[in-house]
Amino acid sequence: DGGITQSPKYLFRKEGQNVTLSCEQNLNHDAMYWYRQDPGQGLRLIYYSQIVNDFQKGDIAEGYSVSREKKESFPLTVTSAQKNPTAFYLCATARGPGYGYTFGSGTRLTVV
Amino acid sequence: KNEVEQSPQNLTAQEGEFITINCSYSVGISALHWLQQHPGGGIVSLFMLSSGKKKHGRLIATINIQEKHSSLHITASHPRDSAVYICAVEVGNEKLTFGTGTRLTIIP
Repeated sequence: DGGITQSPKYLFRKEGQNVTLSCEQNLNHDAMYWYRQDPGQGLRLIYYSQIVNDFQKGDIAEGYSVSREKKESFPLTVTSAQKNPTAFYLCATARGPGYGYTFGSGTRLTVV
Repeated sequence: KNEVEQSPQNLTAQEGEFITINCSYSVGISALHWLQQHPGGGIVSLFMLSSGKKKHGRLIATINIQEKHSSLHITASHPRDSAVYICAVEVGNEKLTFGTGTRLTIIP
């Protein structure tokens, strides 16, 4: 079955450490997205990529970095520069305009 | 102010009741999405619509482009419908703007 795999489901890190969240898809979708979800707020866009080797900043990109070396993979690195990294992170993909979105199951990151 | 407003924020109902969740937005959109988020956090896409009405099982979604308003209805609600329902709008370039969600609890 095609889908999105986000790993791990739960992640704990010490303050000051970089951490990379994985997002892999076998849907053959061109576009991939990273969102952050905080209690009481709507999902906010961190980064997105519409094609391999290209990506754009979303609304809250500061303290995050991404790469898109393969169509299937869009890892997100939460750097030590991110002031409040504890959150729920969701990856999503889209085939293209008018086709809707597919979401992963998310990674809950806790920084202590 | 969020461009996407949902109401109510929380909704508790008895099993079997007809449920309505509302979404209003302030900008011109190319599409509106209704999503369902279960307690584990994963999100499922329910509907994408740009006009009229769509139905899938007990779920119905409507949109009024002129009034910038959409509703999600659930008929014969069941405890397994308990989840957070999220409205999101798409503005031209595939990026989504999300509402804060409506937490629905159906009591047996």
